Amino acid sequence: DSGVTQTPKHLITATGQRVTLRCSPRSGDLSVYWYQQSLDQGLQFLIQYYNGEERAKGNILERFSAQQFPDLHSELNLSSLELGDSALYFCASSGGQGATSGRDNEQFFGPGTRLTVL
Amino acid sequence: AQSVAQPEDQVNVAEGNPLTVKCTYSVSGNPYLFWYVQYPNRGLQFLLKYITGDNLVKGSYGFEAEFNKSQTSFHLKKPSALVSDSALYFCAVRAWSLGGYQKVTFGTGTKLQVIP
Repeated sequence: DSGVTQTPKHLITATGQRVTLRCSPRSGDLSVYWYQQSLDQGLQFLIQYYNGEERAKGNILERFSAQQFPDLHSELNLSSLELGDSALYFCASSGGQGATSGRDNEQFFGPGTRLTVL
Repeated sequence: AQSVAQPEDQVNVAEGNPLTVKCTYSVSGNPYLFWYVQYPNRGLQFLLKYITGDNLVKGSYGFEAEFNKSQTSFHLKKPSALVSDSALYFCAVRAWSLGGYQKVTFGTGTKLQVIP
């Protein structure tokens, strides 16, 4: 158990709909990352938040948005869903962004949310 | 821009034989390098990392990796493969990017198949 929780585990919805995926990081971790994993595109980094602020953006579509709340949990919102958005969505967390190396550099991944768009 | 390459989509090895999963990287500055493993229908799990110091890094489940700065490589190795090692392996690099934060880039993954 990584200490990162994600809900729901599975989500089935229709095209055009909007869904929200939730992530709770490990206790004490300030950074949250979102990834999309699909068979044809592999593991794609979407976005990173650090202590409530957006820190890095990857291949995130404009239809997708995320936020990190004061209690450090994060939500990924996916709207106007398309068939191609069907994938596993992972959240990961890690510690601070300090310059020193150490245990905080690796990411701890949640079990993922499997999204199926019909 | 930083990048990670895992040149082999799949590696097959017989149980008991040594295994190597290859990774090369490209970054500006000093890299932090990682290996993760993903079992079916699970999230990625951290295996090991190189930050600084000894080029040979030991990690979980008997895995190790060798950092080679001149070849910009960080290959994952294990002296004797187990069937239970069969999984998807990801190499990742983390480095400081413009704006002063650390950016993480993952490779495309290598499927390891250990044959009994």
